[in-house]
Amino acid sequence: AQKVTQAQTEISVVEKEDVTLDCVYETRDTTYYLFWYKQPPSGELVFLIRRNSFDEQNEISGRYSWNFQKSTSSFNFTITASQVVDSAVYFCALRISNFGNEKLTFGTGTRLTIIP
Amino acid sequence: DTEVTQTPKHLVMGMTNKKSLKCEQHMGHRAMYWYKQKAKKPPELMFVYSYEKLSINESVPSRFSPECPNSSLLNLHLHALQPEDSALYLCASSQVGGLSGNTIYFGEGSWLTVV
Repeated sequence: AQKVTQAQTEISVVEKEDVTLDCVYETRDTTYYLFWYKQPPSGELVFLIRRNSFDEQNEISGRYSWNFQKSTSSFNFTITASQVVDSAVYFCALRISNFGNEKLTFGTGTRLTIIP
Repeated sequence: DTEVTQTPKHLVMGMTNKKSLKCEQHMGHRAMYWYKQKAKKPPELMFVYSYEKLSINESVPSRFSPECPNSSLLNLHLHALQPEDSALYLCASSQVGGLSGNTIYFGEGSWLTVV
């Protein structure tokens, strides 16, 4: 069975500070996919990134960066110079490679509040 | 802007009403999903359609009835709901299968309140 743990339930930082959201996953599959989604108060789940298990290269997109470490089963997300618009709930999710299995296993989410 | 469109955005219905939630995507995806999300919880999978066929039903009560008229449309028919069914209902879509770990794209959701 798969499991995703986001131990940080809520985080508050002052605007312009950097913040890291933690994600730890469990799976016995050797091929899997990790995702981050952002959910603002409007409700939509916005896709941010997908990372394949065989690609440990870290990624940077503007103020966002992701650190994938298979050795620690972690896929952490850092926002640099945070802005008020970053306030949202962030979900980490896992999907195993199984043809026809389209299920995502979500973590419980981290509510991020950026204080102006 | 999301490419998965859901209507209505908000719905209030009585326990004896019959209503429907609608979802449309034009990304050429052949898998479509319904998720239910309660406050402060992650989304929970309800149904998956693959090539317009129901492939996954997560033991959802029969008062929720999904329908996939074609590859672009997905409906969720609601009948005799209970107040505890009040939640955010998210539609999503993706490519199907294989080893590509297809990304699931979500709509804005329909906020449902049962009174």
